[in-house]
Amino acid sequence: SQQGEEDPQALSIQEGENATMNCSYKTSINNLQWYRQNSGRGLVHLILIRSNEREKHSGRLRVTLDTSKKSSSLLITASRAADTASYFCATVLISSGSARQLTFGSGTQLTVLP
Amino acid sequence: GAVVSQHPSRVICKSGTSVKIECRSLDFQATTMFWYRQFPKQSLMLMATSNEGSKATYEQGVEKDKFLINHASLTLSTLTVTSAHPEDSSFYICSARPYAGPSDTQYFGPGTRLTVL
Repeated sequence: SQQGEEDPQALSIQEGENATMNCSYKTSINNLQWYRQNSGRGLVHLILIRSNEREKHSGRLRVTLDTSKKSSSLLITASRAADTASYFCATVLISSGSARQLTFGSGTQLTVLP
Repeated sequence: GAVVSQHPSRVICKSGTSVKIECRSLDFQATTMFWYRQFPKQSLMLMATSNEGSKATYEQGVEKDKFLINHASLTLSTLTVTSAHPEDSSFYICSARPYAGPSDTQYFGPGTRLTVL
C-alpha cells in the first residue's frame, strides 16, 4: 500500500494565492521529498527535508516536517498559473536500507487559475 | 543539472509483442536506476530497483519474467515488457540516482507511454 497519503487530492486557487498541500506517512523515515509532475511528463525534484529538520525553504516553497505526527506540508506562496501540476511527497524509509527507494504519496493536483 | 532521457516517449504495439524502453543518464553516472509504473491520475508505483552489473530487485507482485531489466552500464538501463497485453498499457517512468552527490535525490526521465492494442 502507499506509504503516504496526501490531501487535498485536488486544489484549485487563484493566481497570487498561497497553496498548501499535506502529506502523511506511516513508518519512520530517513527523509521526505517533494516532487512536481506536469501532465504526462516525468517528475522534477523540488526539495528534500531530513528527519532531523523541521522546516526548509527554497524560493517560493516552504516545507515543514513533523515526525511526531508523521506529516509534512508543502506551501507554495504567491502561486502562478505555471505552478499548475501534480505534487507528490515521497519518503525514504529507514527500513529501505542501502537501496533507499522512494515511496510515493497519492499526490495533489494543483490548478492555479489566471 | 542532471538529465535523464527515456526512449521511446510513446509506443503503440499489438498484443503479444515485446517492447524495450531505454533509460539513460546523460551527464552523470548512476549506480542505481529505478523503474516505476503510473496509471492515469494515480501515483508512481515502484516496479524494480536496478543496480549496474547485478540483477534487478523486483517489488512484490511484479513479474520478473515479464518485465526484464538490464543495467549494463552506469548510464543505461533497459526495461523490456515481454508479450505485452492491454493491461500492461501504462506510463513507465525511470529514475537514476547519481554515483556521487546526495544519495537520496533521484532524477526522473520524461516517461514512456505504452499502449497495447
